[in-house]
Amino acid sequence: GQNIDQPTEMTATEGAIVQINCTYQTSGFNGLFWYQQHAGEAPTFLSYNVLDGLEEKGRFSSFLSRSKGYSYLLLKELQMKDSASYLCAVRALNSGYSTLTFGKGTMLLVSP
Amino acid sequence: ETGVTQSPTHLIKTRGQQVTLRCSSQSGHNTVSWYQQALGQGPQFIFQYYREEENGRGNFPPRFSGLQFPNYSSELNVNALELDDSALYLCASSLVVDTDTQYFGPGTRLTVL
Repeated sequence: GQNIDQPTEMTATEGAIVQINCTYQTSGFNGLFWYQQHAGEAPTFLSYNVLDGLEEKGRFSSFLSRSKGYSYLLLKELQMKDSASYLCAVRALNSGYSTLTFGKGTMLLVSP
Repeated sequence: ETGVTQSPTHLIKTRGQQVTLRCSSQSGHNTVSWYQQALGQGPQFIFQYYREEENGRGNFPPRFSGLQFPNYSSELNVNALELDDSALYLCASSLVVDTDTQYFGPGTRLTVL
């Protein structure tokens, strides 16, 4: 099976930097995704890592260490609109097909 | 906007009834996955369809079934609804099975009374 852990809630201040961690245990690892989900809406794709290292995309960066089963999402220059749930998802390739397994999400609250 | 659409937006059913949810993929995407998201939880994988064939299934009972059509649109059918089936049902499409990013539709909020 697969196990994905991320903190339940985090709070931060507008303009600050926040790091959301994700640890996972899986077989057949084939990539790690971060999605943002505002309340009542669909998840939207933020980033993808399949090799170790840092991927940067504007205010958002994501890091992966496959040997440690660890990833983080870094959000810089926080804005109020960044208040949302952030979902870590691991893709695994087993039995001839891939599955995407999500963590429970980290609710980020950005305050003024 | 991901180009993935779902209908209906909201639905209320009673226990024991049957429901059909629909999804239209982003243009050119031949793979559709369905997820169930309970309140406060991450999405849980139900099954995936690739070129009209089921291509993987999560830990859901057989009363959850699906179809994919030649135009790659898809349906999720749930029979004998239970109260615990109340959730947001999401479909996601991808261009290449197994290796591509999945893009989600807006979801269908199902309430079972």
